[in-house]
Amino acid sequence: GAVVSQHPSRVICKSGTSVKIECRSLDFQATTMFWYRQFPKQSLMLMATSNEGSKATYEQGVEKDKFLINHASLTLSTLTVTSAHPEDSSFYICSARDVASGGSGQFFGPGTRLTVL
Amino acid sequence: AQSVTQPDIHITVSEGASLELRCNYSYGATPYLFWYVQSPGQGLQLLLKYFSGDTLVQGIKGFEAEFKRSQSSFNLRKPSVHWSDAAEYFCAVGARGNEKLTFGTGTRLTIIP
Repeated sequence: GAVVSQHPSRVICKSGTSVKIECRSLDFQATTMFWYRQFPKQSLMLMATSNEGSKATYEQGVEKDKFLINHASLTLSTLTVTSAHPEDSSFYICSARDVASGGSGQFFGPGTRLTVL
Repeated sequence: AQSVTQPDIHITVSEGASLELRCNYSYGATPYLFWYVQSPGQGLQLLLKYFSGDTLVQGIKGFEAEFKRSQSSFNLRKPSVHWSDAAEYFCAVGARGNEKLTFGTGTRLTIIP
């Protein structure tokens, strides 16, 4: 089955530093990946759509200069939280669309827990 | 714009009892509908999905859901729950030709012995 991995699974950083989160599709090619954030006991909120070889599309209210997305290949998208602050602490989840499956939905990674001190 | 409502924030059922989790959606055309399950600190696992055809959809782990267009609902059911079913359940809607998903707020399921 389609597997999506994320690295790291958990990261703690100091305020003002940048953190990079990787999202990989392990056994399929993903021209489109999605980045979500989830606050405790809340739903997933779509942050941006990452398209291989082009700029990401950000949802309203998401700062593109703060959350940098790079979809460098058909199996890798990265989210960089720049100059992180405590309010950026959250659970970040990526998903990938398996083009070959003809639109059968998204496959989700296990998530990355970011804690900014 | 599409939206999803899960009216039950928290449901508690006894092990072995039946379960129904409610989901109502708002969308202008026939939607793609999904149910995902999330264990604490984990990502989401797809339980089942509806795109077209038979309105009763079978999923993994003994779950099923029924698409009712007249009620704009896609309720999740299981005839007999197991302690391992305790988790957070999310209903989601997507547009045909656009994989952006809108999630409901989730229903937390607690199983008591």
